Amino acid sequence: NAGVMQNPRHLVRRRGQEARLRCSPMKGHSHVYWYRQLPEEGLKFMVYLQKENIIDESGMPKERFSAEFPKEGPSILRIQQVVRGDSAAYFCASSRGGADTQYFGPGTRLTVL
Amino acid sequence: GENVEQHPSTLSVQEGDSAVIKCTYSDSASNYFPWYKQELGKGPQLIIDIRSNVGEKKDQRIAVTLNKTAKHFSLHITETQPEDSAVYFCAASSNSGYSTLTFGKGTMLLVSP
Repeated sequence: NAGVMQNPRHLVRRRGQEARLRCSPMKGHSHVYWYRQLPEEGLKFMVYLQKENIIDESGMPKERFSAEFPKEGPSILRIQQVVRGDSAAYFCASSRGGADTQYFGPGTRLTVL
Repeated sequence: GENVEQHPSTLSVQEGDSAVIKCTYSDSASNYFPWYKQELGKGPQLIIDIRSNVGEKKDQRIAVTLNKTAKHFSLHITETQPEDSAVYFCAASSNSGYSTLTFGKGTMLLVSP
């Protein structure tokens, strides 16, 4: 029973490029959450999605960041025109239902040069 | 919104000792409190969680206590082992329909042999 999968595990981008982070939830899970972890900090909620719907994006920066969870395929967190401040670990979690336990993936560590 | 404070930020104990990590939260509507363990380079792993209808929960060497009146909850690890060394995060959510977790900043636990 595979857990939450994220790829790539490490991503290096130059300022101004785009970053695409992918998350495949656990089997049977249809709820996906994205969190960002800055060095020496806890995780900060960014966005919550169900299949084809964004339910809560209150933690997402208003510009350059977007997320989707299509009917088929993984959830994607997209960061356009990356800046150095975007360097962080991005974690995705999934759950069976909205109020159920969240299980985290291994994360994508984004470095912006 | 919710705010979670976690103490201490670092904790060093000898193998076999007990370790206690404490968290406070601000939103009285919060009713779900998970604890995650994060090892270096990995994603957070759920170790125990508690809902507001109980005051204590145990799982082998790990226990969590909740005081809703005082709005604080604690993680207790007994008979610590070197493999318990990691960063521990507490979190809280209101869990009304869906739960977006608010995390504390983490406690780095070091268990010395």
